[in-house]
Amino acid sequence: AIRMTQSPSSFSASTGDRVTITCRASQGISSYLAWYQQKPGKAPKLLIYAASTLQSGVPSRFSGSGSGTDFTLTISCLQSEDFATYYCQQYYSYPPYTFGQGTKLEIK
Amino acid sequence: EVQLVQSGTEVKKPGESLHISCKASGYNFTSYWIAWVRQLPGKGLEWMGIIYPDDSDTRYSPSFQGQVTISADKSINTAYLQWSSLKASDTAMYYCARLREATNTPFDYWGQGTLVTVSS
Repeated sequence: AIRMTQSPSSFSASTGDRVTITCRASQGISSYLAWYQQKPGKAPKLLIYAASTLQSGVPSRFSGSGSGTDFTLTISCLQSEDFATYYCQQYYSYPPYTFGQGTKLEIK
Repeated sequence: EVQLVQSGTEVKKPGESLHISCKASGYNFTSYWIAWVRQLPGKGLEWMGIIYPDDSDTRYSPSFQGQVTISADKSINTAYLQWSSLKASDTAMYYCARLREATNTPFDYWGQGTLVTVSS
């Protein structure tokens, strides 16, 4: 199975900051990469798919980039509602379509 | 509006059987794959398997093959996840989710989750 590794596992930031989360695949996955946001007690929400395509209704401060093995999720200007855990997922090769271990974004 | 509504919290004893459900509405149930995802307490997301409700074609993660059964009843737009003999290690939140298009697509809609607690 393809292994997805996110970094950092957690970090603190302030409202208004620009933050970047990285996700590395253990082998090439082209652009078959999605990002999800999960808030405590809630189901995950799809933010970005195909590495850089914003899901309908997601604010434009979220953006994604990368292909092959290295990917990033960037939030350009953190809002209070963005503090959550973020997961990447590859859907290039299955089973299974593996998730990263998650990155918890906390308020500084 | 696309909705996936899951069955409620379950508390079971080791060795008991269980099935939880995921009822879909707002779209053509038979045209989209449905997935099940496990989240252990305080942990990340694990892809368990997927089913295509039209013909019940099912694919399992190797980690879950033989441990659970995924099924669907297209007459009532409902997918199921079932266990024949629960273990304490099955204690987790379980989500169903719809694949956006074909098998190699992400999950665009999610159920609210079903909490399963297995304890003697």
